[in-house]
Amino acid sequence: EPEVTQTPSHQVTQMGQEVILRCVPISNHLYFYWYRQILGQKVEFLVSFYNNEISEKSEIFDDQFSVERPDGSNFTLKIRSTKLEDSAMYFCASRPEETQYFGPGTRLLVL
Amino acid sequence: GENVEQHPSTLSVQEGDSAVIKCTYSDSASNYFPWYKQELGKRPQLIIDIRSNVGEKKDQRIAVTLNKTAKHFSLHITETQPEDSAVYFCAASRNYGQNFVFGPGTRLSVLP
Repeated sequence: EPEVTQTPSHQVTQMGQEVILRCVPISNHLYFYWYRQILGQKVEFLVSFYNNEISEKSEIFDDQFSVERPDGSNFTLKIRSTKLEDSAMYFCASRPEETQYFGPGTRLLVL
Repeated sequence: GENVEQHPSTLSVQEGDSAVIKCTYSDSASNYFPWYKQELGKRPQLIIDIRSNVGEKKDQRIAVTLNKTAKHFSLHITETQPEDSAVYFCAASRNYGQNFVFGPGTRLSVLP
């Protein structure tokens, strides 16, 4: 059964550095999402992406964040200048219809 | 915007007993309600979902009920097993699957 994949599984970075988190959604899915989950807290929506553009974004998704689908398979989340509070698990998700399928996550630690 | 509340935050049951987790939502336009199970360090996995035009859905030991008037929906797990131990998140969505607003989660422990 196809799954959403994400790389890297873990990333440690210094505050102020740029990070790019990568996701490969399931191939026939058209809608893509990024969520984050701060340790011990609920999953929070960041951004949704459809037809090569952002369809919705949350208040968390400020100017430091951007998303891109550089080719037919990858979907990336870039954080331009990381802050300590960006430390979290970042999940990518994709869907064909209603159900969203989540990737395994990237654990980002900002020092 | 949508706000989803979930109760209880933790739940311990004996193996074989039933577990019920309740969620309420605020946006009457929400029309799709999935439940995800998340084991420690793993991705959320969909276990059951329900659309707003359905009042109840069942899949083996798991069922979900929806009360649109009261804006609440519940997850029912019968004959619980130790492998049911996990954090369960409810979510609500408009437009049948657009961005999910998650509840804060319920940590379920099934004691052998």
